[in-house]
Amino acid sequence: RKEVEQDPGPFNVPEGATVAFNCTYSNSASQSFFWYRQDCRKEPKLLMSVYSSGNEDGRFTAQLNRASQYISLLIRDSKLSDSATYLCVVNRRGSSGTYKYIFGTGTRLKVLA
Amino acid sequence: EAQVTQNPRYLITVTGKKLTVTCSQNMNHEYMSWYRQDPGLGLRQIYYSMNVEVTDKGDVPEGYKVSRKEKRNFPLILESPSPNQTSLYFCASRRGLQNTGELFFGEGSRLTVL
Repeated sequence: RKEVEQDPGPFNVPEGATVAFNCTYSNSASQSFFWYRQDCRKEPKLLMSVYSSGNEDGRFTAQLNRASQYISLLIRDSKLSDSATYLCVVNRRGSSGTYKYIFGTGTRLKVLA
Repeated sequence: EAQVTQNPRYLITVTGKKLTVTCSQNMNHEYMSWYRQDPGLGLRQIYYSMNVEVTDKGDVPEGYKVSRKEKRNFPLILESPSPNQTSLYFCASRRGLQNTGELFFGEGSRLTVL
């Protein structure tokens, strides 16, 4: 079982739809949480950090549930430009004592005209 | 412009021919790291560096070497490439040594080993 699990999709949704992705993590010592966006054949870029209280950035809302160890991303009013792969990322202390980022394999979103 | 620059972006090589992928960042970041990305496996860390002359193994270090002689540069060396090192490679950097903070990625280097 992967430490960070995501549904690979693809999620095909019409423009204007609301879509939600979930991500689960297995290590309860995980401390920081992020969503990254990766366009096809491009580098990942930070979309937003995820806080326990939940946070919103325009059409994007991220939630963290530490008790159930899952993270969610909600996209409202989907745009064609939202088509990408969304990577769930957690940060925890590794065996050497330094922190490391653990990446999910990503959920692919296609927004259709 | 703040950026992480990798070279080459694309490379086709043959088994056993040593190669180096360069990575340079202009943000004065202490932390730098190399990842490889393969279908179905996500991004996996190869090596990382907390500062000049400080490097450590990530999850998949076999077959790779790195060095950090200057703060801005963190080259990835494949002494004797093999076909299972065919992959998309990303260099990343982050300000500070804390556990939070945005990772900035280079544009990626697509390597094919025949």
